[in-house]
Amino acid sequence: SQQGEEDPQALSIQEGENATMNCSYKTSINNLQWYRQNSGRGLVHLILIRSNEREKHSGRLRVTLDTSKKSSSLLITASRAADTASYFCAPSGNTGKLIFGQGTTLQVKP
Amino acid sequence: DARVTQTPRHKVTEMGQEVTMRCQPILGHNTVFWYRQTMMQGLELLAYFRNRAPLDDSGMPKDRFSAEMPDATLATLKIQPSEPRDSAVYFCASGPGQKNTEAFFGQGTRLTVV
Repeated sequence: SQQGEEDPQALSIQEGENATMNCSYKTSINNLQWYRQNSGRGLVHLILIRSNEREKHSGRLRVTLDTSKKSSSLLITASRAADTASYFCAPSGNTGKLIFGQGTTLQVKP
Repeated sequence: DARVTQTPRHKVTEMGQEVTMRCQPILGHNTVFWYRQTMMQGLELLAYFRNRAPLDDSGMPKDRFSAEMPDATLATLKIQPSEPRDSAVYFCASGPGQKNTEAFFGQGTRLTVV
């Protein structure tokens, strides 16, 4: 299945700490995308990393990709209460479909 | 401020009624996705269009669901007849690329079937 599986399911940290979420997948990919969903809202695209890239940064976000292990990680540095949300990964292959897993629910305590 | 627009935002209907959800993709986007989100099942991909043609609707219950793109500015998802188990939030998303595109989500339609 093209679906990504996020780990952990839930994460609770204090404001200022770093949060790391992982994603594993089973098929070959062209890219892998990370999204955030705030409660009751639509998903918001955070970052896309291509299969030939190993690391990508965007502000406080750092994404790594290891295609040999079929895994990716999302690191949020210096977390804020506003980062509280669910985070999803979506591996994307030749079909272009985006299939999401159950996500990681992140709670950042003030 | 370009965004995906979904209507209605909320819909309560009785079992057996037809429900039509509409989506206006971002102008110029040629990829459209329909998703359903529930607590139990998470986010399920129902249908996927590119250049208005359906590429994959394998996630959609065929007997009661249908998805179409009458034109490039409108995507519709219909349920006929609706059932209580269809209660969920339905999201539409559009993307600018031909393939492997990022997706921009609408705010969703919260459907309750009683």
